[in-house]
Amino acid sequence: GAVVSQHPSRVICKSGTSVKIECRSLDFQATTMFWYRQFPKQSLMLMATSNEGSKATYEQGVEKDKFLINHASLTLSTLTVTSAHPEDSSFYICSARDYLAGGETQYFGPGTRLLVL
Amino acid sequence: AQSVTQLDSQVPVFEEAPVELRCNYSSSVSVYLFWYVQYPNQGLQLLLKYLSGSTLVKGINGFEAEFNKSQTSFHLRKPSVHISDTAEYFCAVSLAGGSNYQLIWGAGTKLIIKP
Repeated sequence: GAVVSQHPSRVICKSGTSVKIECRSLDFQATTMFWYRQFPKQSLMLMATSNEGSKATYEQGVEKDKFLINHASLTLSTLTVTSAHPEDSSFYICSARDYLAGGETQYFGPGTRLLVL
Repeated sequence: AQSVTQLDSQVPVFEEAPVELRCNYSSSVSVYLFWYVQYPNQGLQLLLKYLSGSTLVKGINGFEAEFNKSQTSFHLRKPSVHISDTAEYFCAVSLAGGSNYQLIWGAGTKLIIKP
Protein backbone atom coordinates (compact mmCIF):
# COMPACT_ATOMS: atom_id res chain seq x y z
CA GLY A 1 0.00 0.00 0.00
CA ALA A 2 0.81 3.74 -0.04
CA VAL A 3 2.37 3.83 -3.49
CA VAL A 4 3.13 7.12 -5.22
CA SER A 5 4.09 7.31 -8.87
CA GLN A 6 5.68 10.09 -10.89
CA HIS A 7 5.77 10.60 -14.60
CA PRO A 8 8.02 11.06 -16.45
CA SER A 9 11.01 9.62 -14.65
CA ARG A 10 13.43 11.56 -16.84
CA VAL A 11 12.91 14.44 -19.22
CA ILE A 12 15.24 16.47 -21.40
CA CYS A 13 13.93 19.68 -22.87
CA LYS A 14 15.13 22.79 -24.64
CA SER A 15 15.48 26.08 -22.84
CA GLY A 16 12.26 28.09 -23.00
CA THR A 17 9.88 25.16 -23.15
CA SER A 18 7.51 24.01 -20.42
CA VAL A 19 7.56 20.63 -18.73
CA LYS A 20 4.75 18.98 -16.79
CA ILE A 21 5.43 16.40 -14.09
CA GLU A 22 2.62 14.23 -12.72
CA CYS A 23 2.40 12.82 -9.21
CA ARG A 24 -0.23 10.18 -8.47
CA SER A 25 -1.21 8.34 -5.32
CA LEU A 26 -2.11 4.89 -6.63
CA ASP A 27 -3.86 3.20 -3.72
CA PHE A 28 -4.89 5.97 -1.38
CA GLN A 29 -6.42 9.41 -1.36
CA ALA A 30 -4.09 12.32 -0.79
CA THR A 31 -5.59 15.62 0.31
CA THR A 32 -2.08 17.02 0.59
CA MET A 33 0.86 16.54 -1.72
CA PHE A 34 4.29 18.08 -1.45
CA TRP A 35 6.78 19.02 -4.14
CA TYR A 36 10.48 18.93 -3.41
CA ARG A 37 13.62 19.74 -5.31
CA GLN A 38 16.88 17.97 -4.60
CA PHE A 39 20.29 19.20 -5.70
CA PRO A 40 23.18 16.74 -6.02
CA LYS A 41 24.45 15.43 -2.70
CA GLN A 42 21.97 17.55 -0.77
CA SER A 43 18.85 17.07 1.25
CA LEU A 44 15.35 17.80 0.00
CA MET A 45 14.16 21.36 -0.40
CA LEU A 46 10.42 21.83 -0.01
CA MET A 47 9.06 23.89 -2.89
CA ALA A 48 5.34 23.90 -2.17
CA THR A 49 2.48 22.24 -0.37
CA SER A 50 -0.48 21.34 -2.52
CA ASN A 51 -3.96 20.81 -1.08
CA GLU A 52 -6.69 19.27 -3.19
CA GLY A 53 -9.05 21.85 -4.60
CA SER A 54 -7.14 24.90 -3.42
CA LYS A 55 -4.12 26.95 -4.37
CA ALA A 56 -0.71 25.66 -3.48
CA THR A 57 1.34 27.23 -0.72
CA TYR A 58 4.82 28.07 -1.94
CA GLU A 59 7.94 28.26 0.19
CA GLN A 60 9.88 31.48 0.36
CA GLY A 61 12.01 32.01 -2.69
CA VAL A 62 10.04 29.68 -4.96
CA GLU A 63 8.43 31.48 -7.90
CA LYS A 64 4.79 30.45 -8.16
CA ASP A 65 4.54 31.68 -11.76
CA LYS A 66 7.55 29.58 -12.68
CA PHE A 67 6.48 26.41 -10.92
CA LEU A 68 2.74 25.96 -11.48
CA ILE A 69 1.08 23.41 -9.24
CA ASN A 70 -2.36 21.94 -9.78
CA HIS A 71 -4.04 19.48 -7.40
CA ALA A 72 -7.38 18.87 -9.06
CA SER A 73 -8.19 15.48 -7.58
CA LEU A 74 -7.43 13.40 -4.51
CA THR A 75 -4.97 11.26 -6.45
CA LEU A 76 -3.23 13.64 -8.83
CA SER A 77 -1.03 16.71 -8.53
CA THR A 78 0.98 18.24 -11.34
CA LEU A 79 4.02 20.50 -11.36
CA THR A 80 4.65 22.51 -14.52
CA VAL A 81 8.03 24.14 -14.93
CA THR A 82 7.30 27.04 -17.26
CA SER A 83 9.88 28.52 -19.62
CA ALA A 84 12.51 26.19 -18.28
CA HIS A 85 16.13 27.28 -18.12
CA PRO A 86 19.30 25.27 -17.47
CA GLU A 87 19.30 26.35 -13.82
CA ASP A 88 15.97 24.53 -13.40
CA SER A 89 17.73 21.23 -14.09
CA SER A 90 17.30 19.15 -10.97
CA PHE A 91 15.69 16.12 -9.38
CA TYR A 92 12.05 16.81 -8.52
CA ILE A 93 10.29 14.56 -6.00
CA CYS A 94 6.69 14.56 -4.87
CA SER A 95 5.15 13.07 -1.77
CA ALA A 96 1.61 12.49 -0.59
CA ARG A 97 -0.17 12.11 2.73
CA ASP A 98 -2.67 9.31 3.24
CA TYR A 99 -5.18 11.30 5.28
CA LEU A 100 -7.45 8.32 5.93
CA ALA A 101 -4.55 6.53 7.65
CA GLY A 102 -3.86 9.45 9.96
CA GLY A 103 -1.96 11.58 7.51
CA GLU A 104 1.23 12.00 9.53
CA THR A 105 3.38 10.01 7.08
CA GLN A 106 4.55 11.22 3.68
CA TYR A 107 5.01 8.64 0.95
CA PHE A 108 7.36 9.58 -1.85
CA GLY A 109 7.36 9.14 -5.57
CA PRO A 110 10.44 7.85 -7.42
CA GLY A 111 11.41 11.32 -8.63
CA THR A 112 11.75 13.05 -11.99
CA ARG A 113 15.14 14.10 -13.32
CA LEU A 114 14.85 17.22 -15.44
CA LEU A 115 17.64 18.34 -17.73
CA VAL A 116 17.20 21.64 -19.54
CA LEU A 117 19.57 22.21 -22.44
CA ALA B 1 11.24 26.33 15.22
CA GLN B 2 12.31 22.75 14.69
CA SER B 3 15.66 21.57 13.37
CA VAL B 4 17.30 18.23 12.65
CA THR B 5 20.99 17.45 12.83
CA GLN B 6 22.60 14.41 11.30
CA LEU B 7 26.08 14.53 12.72
CA ASP B 8 27.82 12.37 10.15
CA SER B 9 27.77 13.15 6.44
CA GLN B 10 29.31 9.77 5.65
CA VAL B 11 29.60 6.54 7.60
CA PRO B 12 31.87 3.83 6.18
CA VAL B 13 31.40 0.37 7.66
CA PHE B 14 32.44 -3.14 6.74
CA GLU B 15 29.86 -5.60 5.48
CA GLU B 16 28.21 -7.63 8.28
CA ALA B 17 29.33 -5.09 10.91
CA PRO B 18 26.82 -3.13 13.01
CA VAL B 19 26.05 0.50 12.21
CA GLU B 20 24.50 3.47 13.95
CA LEU B 21 23.43 6.62 12.13
CA ARG B 22 22.91 9.54 14.46
CA CYS B 23 20.05 12.01 14.44
CA ASN B 24 19.33 14.77 16.93
CA TYR B 25 16.47 17.20 16.79
CA SER B 26 15.45 20.45 18.41
CA SER B 27 11.85 21.32 19.17
CA SER B 28 9.86 22.96 21.96
CA VAL B 29 6.78 20.89 21.14
CA SER B 30 6.05 17.23 20.52
CA VAL B 31 7.23 15.86 17.20
CA TYR B 32 6.89 12.79 15.05
CA LEU B 33 10.19 11.28 13.87
CA PHE B 34 11.02 9.51 10.65
CA TRP B 35 13.89 7.79 8.88
CA TYR B 36 13.85 7.57 5.10
CA VAL B 37 16.31 5.84 2.77
CA GLN B 38 17.21 7.01 -0.73
CA TYR B 39 18.96 4.66 -3.12
CA PRO B 40 20.90 6.26 -6.00
CA ASN B 41 18.69 8.10 -8.48
CA GLN B 42 15.51 7.07 -6.68
CA GLY B 43 12.87 8.63 -4.48
CA LEU B 44 12.66 8.15 -0.75
CA GLN B 45 11.39 5.07 1.02
CA LEU B 46 10.08 5.12 4.59
CA LEU B 47 12.26 2.97 6.85
CA LEU B 48 10.47 3.56 10.13
CA LYS B 49 8.67 6.17 12.17
CA TYR B 50 7.95 7.09 15.76
CA LEU B 51 4.58 8.64 16.53
CA SER B 52 3.96 7.55 20.13
CA GLY B 53 4.19 4.55 22.44
CA SER B 54 7.21 2.28 22.63
CA THR B 55 10.41 4.21 22.12
CA LEU B 56 12.07 1.35 20.25
CA VAL B 57 10.77 1.25 16.72
CA LYS B 58 11.45 -1.53 14.25
CA GLY B 59 11.39 -0.87 10.54
CA ILE B 60 12.03 -2.55 7.25
CA ASN B 61 15.25 -4.23 6.13
CA GLY B 62 16.30 -5.03 9.70
CA PHE B 63 16.64 -1.42 10.84
CA GLU B 64 15.49 -0.09 14.17
CA ALA B 65 15.61 3.25 15.95
CA GLU B 66 15.20 4.42 19.51
CA PHE B 67 13.51 7.65 20.51
CA ASN B 68 15.27 9.29 23.44
CA LYS B 69 13.32 12.31 24.60
CA SER B 70 15.84 13.47 27.19
CA GLN B 71 18.65 13.46 24.64
CA THR B 72 16.36 14.57 21.78
CA SER B 73 17.77 11.81 19.64
CA PHE B 74 16.43 9.22 17.21
CA HIS B 75 19.45 7.15 16.18
CA LEU B 76 19.10 4.47 13.51
CA ARG B 77 20.75 1.09 14.00
CA LYS B 78 21.28 -2.16 12.19
CA PRO B 79 23.12 -5.10 13.77
CA SER B 80 24.64 -6.39 10.53
CA VAL B 81 24.76 -4.41 7.29
CA HIS B 82 24.71 -5.73 3.78
CA ILE B 83 26.15 -4.27 0.61
CA SER B 84 22.59 -3.51 -0.51
CA ASP B 85 22.25 -1.05 2.40
CA THR B 86 24.51 1.39 0.56
CA ALA B 87 22.34 4.49 0.29
CA GLU B 88 21.63 7.95 1.68
CA TYR B 89 19.65 8.03 4.92
CA PHE B 90 17.57 11.01 5.96
CA CYS B 91 16.14 11.77 9.38
CA ALA B 92 13.09 14.05 9.52
CA VAL B 93 10.62 15.45 12.04
CA SER B 94 7.17 16.95 11.85
CA LEU B 95 4.99 18.67 14.40
CA ALA B 96 2.74 16.24 16.23
CA GLY B 97 -0.81 17.30 15.53
CA GLY B 98 0.20 19.80 12.87
CA SER B 99 -2.08 20.66 10.00
CA ASN B 100 -0.02 19.60 7.01
CA TYR B 101 2.70 17.60 8.75
CA GLN B 102 5.49 19.32 6.84
CA LEU B 103 8.80 17.56 7.33
CA ILE B 104 11.94 19.21 8.61
CA TRP B 105 14.90 17.36 7.13
CA GLY B 106 18.39 16.50 8.25
CA ALA B 107 21.24 16.89 5.77
CA GLY B 108 21.47 13.14 5.23
CA THR B 109 24.09 10.49 5.98
CA LYS B 110 25.66 8.44 3.25
CA LEU B 111 26.16 4.86 4.36
CA ILE B 112 29.11 3.29 2.59
CA ILE B 113 29.48 -0.47 2.91
CA LYS B 114 33.00 -1.80 2.45
CA PRO B 115 33.35 -5.41 1.27
